Parts: sequence; structure tokens; C-alpha cells
Amino acid sequence: LAKTTQPISMDSYEGQEVNITCSHNNIATNDYITWYQQFPSQGPRFIIQGYKTKVTNEVASLFIPADRKSSTLSLPRVSLSDTAVYYCLVGGLYSSASKIIFGSGTRLSIRP
Amino acid sequence: NAGVTQTPKFQVLKTGQSMTLQCAQDMNHNSMYWYRQDPGMGLRLIYYSASEGTTDKGEVPNGYNVSRLNKREFSLRLESAAPSQTSVYFCASIPLQVTSGNTIYFGEGSWLTVV
Repeated sequence: LAKTTQPISMDSYEGQEVNITCSHNNIATNDYITWYQQFPSQGPRFIIQGYKTKVTNEVASLFIPADRKSSTLSLPRVSLSDTAVYYCLVGGLYSSASKIIFGSGTRLSIRP
Repeated sequence: NAGVTQTPKFQVLKTGQSMTLQCAQDMNHNSMYWYRQDPGMGLRLIYYSASEGTTDKGEVPNGYNVSRLNKREFSLRLESAAPSQTSVYFCASIPLQVTSGNTIYFGEGSWLTVV
């Protein structure tokens, strides 16, 4: 899996849009970018995945530039319940099992 | 459909005791993983299993053993628990071949305290 770098922590306020950027300079051609969300005392859960350009679902948007060396998770109009740790993973579709290493993630704190 | 189930959810051990954390998934996934997460830290991979009968070391395998009993179950054993192994343990599974979308599924975690 490609190594990723993301901010250790971020703070924002309710109703704001939050953008978390992940750098992955060594991304391979067949790698996808996946973001996970972890609430306290729970296991991480999948929130969004993309390969290129933009992906949007009911939870978030994922922006991927043409060179794919970075990606930005965008959370629209955050609420207190969006306080969590967000992990960026870069890797293939796991056609063969491999080590799946999580980084430290970005600890997002939302204030009233 | 229960997903990934871990037992026990909470456990207190004395230093030197042994115990096994159980993990089972009902999604017919091929690969399974064990992670530990210390307070305020990220996930660290202990061991993983590509398929039934195979296991490989992760980032922090020392002090642990694993067993892939069958396709559904992947257990983690602490032979002689140490206070440094106090942590939350997460089991995860993924299918070997996936389409875009859901990838890694996690259990709810097992809180282990070694005193």
C-alpha cells in the first residue's frame, strides 16, 4: 500500500464545510483511495472510495486531482456527530491479501 | 447478517495469564485481520490471514499468536499477557475481490486490560 500523510488533527464548527487532505505521492496505477471514519469506542467504518476526479455519496465527497498524488475528503455542513478520526488508505482492490496498514489518521473535533 | 463478531468485549487479565480473542465473520470473506489500538493512537496491524490455513505477521506481532480455524474464524492468542498489551483489539475482514465500495469490515472491538 502507498504511504499516506494527513494532518494529525483539525478543528471546526457546526455548519461549516471541512476538508481533510491526504498526500499519497507513491500511488500506483491500480490503487484506489478509501476513507474510513472511526468514532470513539468503535471500529472504523467505510465512508467513501474513489479512483479519480470526484465521488459523492450521502455522507461526503472525495476530490482527486488528475495526478492522483493527493485527495481531499469533504464533509459538508458538519455537526457534532462528525467528531471522529478519519483515515485515508491507498491500495488496490485487494485481489490478493496484503498488509493493510492504517496511519495515525486525522482527529476531527467539531465545536458548537 | 451479523458481520464481524468479536468475543469477549471486555476482559481483565493478570500479568502472565493467557487468553484467546475470538473473531468470526459471516460474509464469506477470504481475508481477516487483527489490529490493536492504544488510547489516542491509530490502528496497528498484529497479524493477518489471506485465506484459511495461512497467516502472516503484521507490524506488531510479538507476544501474539493467531489461528485461522476455518474461513469464518480467526483467533488471537496472548500466551503470557503483559501490561503493554493493554489495548483495544479489532478484528476485520475483506473479500479478496471487491468492486468499488465497501472494503474493510471491522468488529466492535475487544477491550483488554492487563494488570
